[in-house]
Amino acid sequence: AQSVAQPEDQVNVAEGNPLTVKCTYSVSGNPYLFWYVQYPNRGLQFLLKYITGDNLVKGSYGFEAEFNKSQTSFHLKKPSALVSDSALYFCAVRRVNNYGQNFVFGPGTRLSVLP
Amino acid sequence: EAQVTQNPRYLITVTGKKLTVTCSQNMNHEYMSWYRQDPGLGLRQIYYSMNVEVTDKGDVPEGYKVSRKEKRNFPLILESPSPNQTSLYFCASREPGLYEQYFGPGTRLTVT
Repeated sequence: AQSVAQPEDQVNVAEGNPLTVKCTYSVSGNPYLFWYVQYPNRGLQFLLKYITGDNLVKGSYGFEAEFNKSQTSFHLKKPSALVSDSALYFCAVRRVNNYGQNFVFGPGTRLSVLP
Repeated sequence: EAQVTQNPRYLITVTGKKLTVTCSQNMNHEYMSWYRQDPGLGLRQIYYSMNVEVTDKGDVPEGYKVSRKEKRNFPLILESPSPNQTSLYFCASREPGLYEQYFGPGTRLTVT
């Protein structure tokens, strides 16, 4: 069954330092992977996706993610964190079923960027 | 402005009193979904719809109903709410093949 895991509930990083939010996946077939961000009292916003192609995917707000097939990982990264990046981050994977496709989300990782 | 709207944003109700949460999108998207968000569990899909009159269960459909009579609207119906349905609910829409979902602002439901 398709699933994603986010092994860290909370990640703390100092402003200006690089950040990594981890995600591992389990799928049958080729993975379609996604990252979303949720700011306080807001809905989720799409950051980036991996469907095929380069293992390094660039997305919104300076974020990027590295797809690693051998480690079944899709970690979210940013070279220099901002206080405004503090939010809840979700990894998701596409699941194919009888009717089409839907998505499975991880439990989320709360990122705190400290000034 | 392209958006997904949900109403109400906040709702406190009592066990057994039927309620409907509305969702509307103005992007002419074919796919729409309902999720619930609970601490430590992330988002779990309740129902989704691939087009008008085509819906399917997600991972946690028990206690919920949906309908898709118009492309832009996808209401979530709780016929007899129970306290375990207290949660934060999100509606989302997307175009097939693009995968990027657009989420509404959320509806915080409390059932006492």
